[in-house]
Amino acid sequence: AQTVTQSQPEMSVQEAETVTLSCTYDTSESDYYLFWYKQPPSRQMILVIRQEAYKQQNATENRFSVNFQKAAKSFSLKISDSQLGDAAMYFCAYRSAGAGNQFYFGTGTSLTVIP
Amino acid sequence: DTAVSQTPKYLVTQMGNDKSIKCEQNLGHDTMYWYKQDSKKFLKIMFSYNNKELIINETVPNRFSPKSPDKAHLNLHINSLELGDSAVYFCASSRWGQGANTEAFFGQGTRLTVV
Repeated sequence: AQTVTQSQPEMSVQEAETVTLSCTYDTSESDYYLFWYKQPPSRQMILVIRQEAYKQQNATENRFSVNFQKAAKSFSLKISDSQLGDAAMYFCAYRSAGAGNQFYFGTGTSLTVIP
Repeated sequence: DTAVSQTPKYLVTQMGNDKSIKCEQNLGHDTMYWYKQDSKKFLKIMFSYNNKELIINETVPNRFSPKSPDKAHLNLHINSLELGDSAVYFCASSRWGQGANTEAFFGQGTRLTVV
């Protein structure tokens, strides 16, 4: 089974600054999808950004961008101009493009935004 | 117009009871999932259904039984509840296969507390 590792249980960032959350994964597949989800205290899981493995270009969504390094199996999330509302648990997720379509989640990174 | 809705949001019950959590999605997805999120926020897959058929059944006690009456519904029934079953249970859905829009959409979660 694929594994997803988030090595930073907790991170903090000053409001308006930039922070990068790390994620690595282990797979033998060549085609797959990667995601970052945000879980605020309301506990709703919200998609932040997605990346298809076959695309070399890094995905961006407004203040959120990723650094996808396929050979290194690394998928980090950069949050620019951090806002108080960005405070949440962030999960990195991997989804196989093959049979099962199962999602594998990392253990999460708790992000605190300091005013 | 909620995409994935699960009921109830909160469930407090005594040990030994039987309870059900219902999930419905109106996204036209053909794959649905149940995840358990423990106190450390770790998300663990329990079951996955595709077109009403069980695809993934991780190591889950037999007391947990999913039922999918149709593609849009996936319910979770739990028999003889134990203290260790206390957690947040998430229902999710996604498209089957490859291509764009392969992310999972989550319900708001059901916080189950067994006393």
